[in-house]
Amino acid sequence: GAVVSQHPSRVICKSGTSVKIECRSLDFQATTMFWYRQFPKQSLMLMATSNEGSKATYEQGVEKDKFLINHASLTLSTLTVTSAHPEDSSFYICSARRMTGGRMNTEAFFGQGTRLTVV
Amino acid sequence: GENVEQHPSTLSVQEGDSAVIKCTYSDSASNYFPWYKQELGKGPQLIIDIRSNVGEKKDQRIAVTLNKTAKHFSLHITETQPEDSAVYFCAADPSGNTPLVFGKGTRLSVIA
Repeated sequence: GAVVSQHPSRVICKSGTSVKIECRSLDFQATTMFWYRQFPKQSLMLMATSNEGSKATYEQGVEKDKFLINHASLTLSTLTVTSAHPEDSSFYICSARRMTGGRMNTEAFFGQGTRLTVV
Repeated sequence: GENVEQHPSTLSVQEGDSAVIKCTYSDSASNYFPWYKQELGKGPQLIIDIRSNVGEKKDQRIAVTLNKTAKHFSLHITETQPEDSAVYFCAADPSGNTPLVFGKGTRLSVIA
């Protein structure tokens, strides 16, 4: 199956600093990627849709200035958590879907996830 | 918009028994239904999927059934093993150009 690589898998940062998380589709081009946040024992919460070459689309309640998304190429999207605080501690996961005939009606593959701890 | 309900939230079975997880969806336009397995500290892994033109799909010990009329689909795991213990998520694809909509997950425990 297709591979989506996410890095880093685990990061600890000090309150007030920024953290960048990378998501790469290794063997296919992804014009659209998705960023999720997952709290313990809960489902995936969609944060934003990352579009290559244009601005990300954020879900209601997600601060776009807090969670900066850049999708500069067809294989790379980044999520930067700016001025991180302890409440931003969470498991962040990216996902990418292959395009088929202009539609994303195919499998969605997930990265390994990033465990962010803000101290 | 699409809404996916998943049951049960937790499931414990004896090794060798079968496990069934059920999901319902609300949007009749949804036509793609994947299932994911998530182990602790890892991202979800696609284990099987089904499209609306098929009623059943099987891959070794795993099978998925789809009833479009009733808008529900189910995951069946036979001959369960301890390594099947994980959280399983169902999802529905409303249009092909929007994010998947996930159920809340089922924590499966297979007791040896």
